[in-house]
Parts: sequence; C-alpha cells; structure tokens
Amino acid sequence: AQKVTQAQTEISVVEKEDVTLDCVYETRDTTYYLFWYKQPPSGELVFLIRRNSFDEQNEISGRYSWNFQKSTSSFNFTITASQVVDSAVYFCALSESFYNQGGKLIFGQGTELSVKP
Amino acid sequence: NAGVTQTPKFRILKIGQSMTLQCTQDMNHNYMYWYRQDPGMGLKLIYYSVGAGITDKGEVPNGYNVSRSTTEDFPLRLELAAPSQTSVYFCASSYSPGGSSYEQYFGPGTRLTVT
Repeated sequence: AQKVTQAQTEISVVEKEDVTLDCVYETRDTTYYLFWYKQPPSGELVFLIRRNSFDEQNEISGRYSWNFQKSTSSFNFTITASQVVDSAVYFCALSESFYNQGGKLIFGQGTELSVKP
Repeated sequence: NAGVTQTPKFRILKIGQSMTLQCTQDMNHNYMYWYRQDPGMGLKLIYYSVGAGITDKGEVPNGYNVSRSTTEDFPLRLELAAPSQTSVYFCASSYSPGGSSYEQYFGPGTRLTVT
C-alpha cells in the first residue's frame, strides 16, 4: 500500500536558521513521482517540486533544496537561511504509476513550519 | 488565464441539506480531482476524472457524487450533508502527456461547515 509519512508535525525555528523537513514514503511501484507543496496561512496550495523515481539527483532552487534517497525511501526538503515568509504548512505527496492510478496524489499529514523573527 | 476556480469560497449547511461545489479550469487539462482537507491533516482524494464522461472514486467517496460533462467543469455534489463533511474542499487539475504524473494545479478551496 502507498503511504507518505511526515513525522514532524510542527517545527519552530528562528529566522536565518536552516531547517529540514522529513518525508518518508512507501510504494510497491517502480515508477512513481514525489512532490512538495506549500500551504501558506492564506490557504492555497503552491507547487514546489516534482521528482520522478528514476532521477535521484538532488535539486537546489535558491534557498530550497531537496534530497531524494531511494535506499531509504525519503525525499527531504531543506530551507537554508529561513525567513518569516517561509512560515507555512508543507506537504509531501506521492503519485504512483499514472496509467493505474490516474495521477492521484497521496499526501502526508503535513509539517507546520513557524519561522520567528 | 484564471487557472482553477472554485465557488463558493465559504458555505454553511444544515444537516441533511444538499449542495454542489463548482470547479472550473481553463487550462484544457484532462485530469481533474477533488480533495478534502480536515483540520491538521493532509488532503484526501474524494473523486477524480481522467476526461469528460469518465470519473472514479478516490479514498473517501462516501456521501459525494461527481460528474464531468465537459473538459472544463468538475462539480462535486454533497447529498444529505453530515457534520463529518465539515472540511475544506480543493479542486485540482493536471495535464499528463505521455502518462507521467505532473504537478496538480489547485483551486483556492471551499470552506464548508455542516451544523
């Protein structure tokens, strides 16, 4: 069965600290996709990144970076030099083989990040 | 280009009432989805559609119905509302060239309270 676990329910940091959000997933498919979404206090969902199961390269986008490790079924997200505007709930999500599953997303329960000035 | 739009933004229903949540996308996406988000939780899939005329159940379909008569519209119907359906509802759409999963674009959500 497919599952996404975000063990950290809440994280609080002080501005400029680095912070890592953990994501562990379970799937039997060899082809799958992993996503991170941000949900700021305003409530909308903002897409951050997509990664397919055949691409284990880490990715960096500005202050954001992602570490994908198939050996540990993890897809962790690091924010470097956090800012108050990073305060949000962050969701990790899994999508399995598209033809079988229609691209539907399985979400973790989310990590609420609070960055204090 | 409005993306994914949802109406209404907020609604209060009495137990046993019915309503339809509207969702429209103008990106010509073939796939559309309805999720619900309960407080402090991740999103759970209610129904999805792979194209006009084709729908399928997600993880939590009970108490809901959908239809997809056009590419653009994917309304969600609540029949006999119950307090357990108090939630925030998100509609999403995506495009899937070559059968790969691409990011889903989400609407702003509908906050529904059933009392």
